Amino acid sequence: DAGVTQTPRHEVAEKGQTIILKCEPVSGHNDLFWYRQTKIQGLELLSYFRSKSLMEDGGAFKDRFKAEMLNSSFSTLKIQPTEPKDSAVYLCASSSGGDGQLYFGEGSKLTVL
Amino acid sequence: GDQVEQSPSALSLHEGTGSALRCNFTTTMRAVQWFRKNSRGSLINLFYLASGTKENGRLKSAFDSKERYSTLHIRDAQLEDSGTYFCAAEDHNRIFFGDGTQLVVKP
Repeated sequence: DAGVTQTPRHEVAEKGQTIILKCEPVSGHNDLFWYRQTKIQGLELLSYFRSKSLMEDGGAFKDRFKAEMLNSSFSTLKIQPTEPKDSAVYLCASSSGGDGQLYFGEGSKLTVL
Repeated sequence: GDQVEQSPSALSLHEGTGSALRCNFTTTMRAVQWFRKNSRGSLINLFYLASGTKENGRLKSAFDSKERYSTLHIRDAQLEDSGTYFCAAEDHNRIFFGDGTQLVVKP
C-alpha cells in the first residue's frame, strides 16, 4: 500500500523565492495535515483539510504560507516569499478522519539561504 | 513506519490507572519526541529527549538510544488524556514517526 508521498525530499531556495511542496495522501483518507518541524518549536500545524475543505490554517502562518487541496489525492504548500527562518522540515500527514491514526510522509527538508 | 514500531496501536484505561506506550527503533536514533494530537489536528509536544528520562505531571518518558527504544508512561489516567499519541525519532538526517496509539480513558 502506498503511504503518504512528499516531494521534493530536499529543496534549497534563495531568500525571496517561491517554493511549492507537494503531498499525496494515503488513498481514501479524508483528512490531510501540513506541519513544520523545527528544533525550537517542535511540530507546528500549518494547515488541516477535511474532505478538501480547509479546517485550520495555522494562524501565524497565513501571510506567506498557502496550502491548497486541488483534489482528494493531491495537496500543495506554497511559501512565498521564502525567508531564512522558513528553513525546516515540512511534513504532510493524512488520516481517515475522527481520531484516526496519522500517517506521515517522509518530509521535505527546506533550506533557505 | 518501518524504522519505528509503536505499540500498542490502541489502549483502553479506566480512570486512575496507568500504562506505558513504547516505540522500538530498527536503528540508532539521536533523539525522540512524544506528541499528542488534539481535536484540531495540532500535535502537542509532550517530551523531547536525547537520552535518559523526563517527567511532567502524570507523564514520564524514557529514551535508550543504545537499546533502541523509548517509552511514555501515563499514571492516574484522566478522561481528558484520551487521544492519539505519537512518537517521532530522528537520526542525523530524518525524522521517523510511529503509527500512533489511540488511547481511550473510561470512567
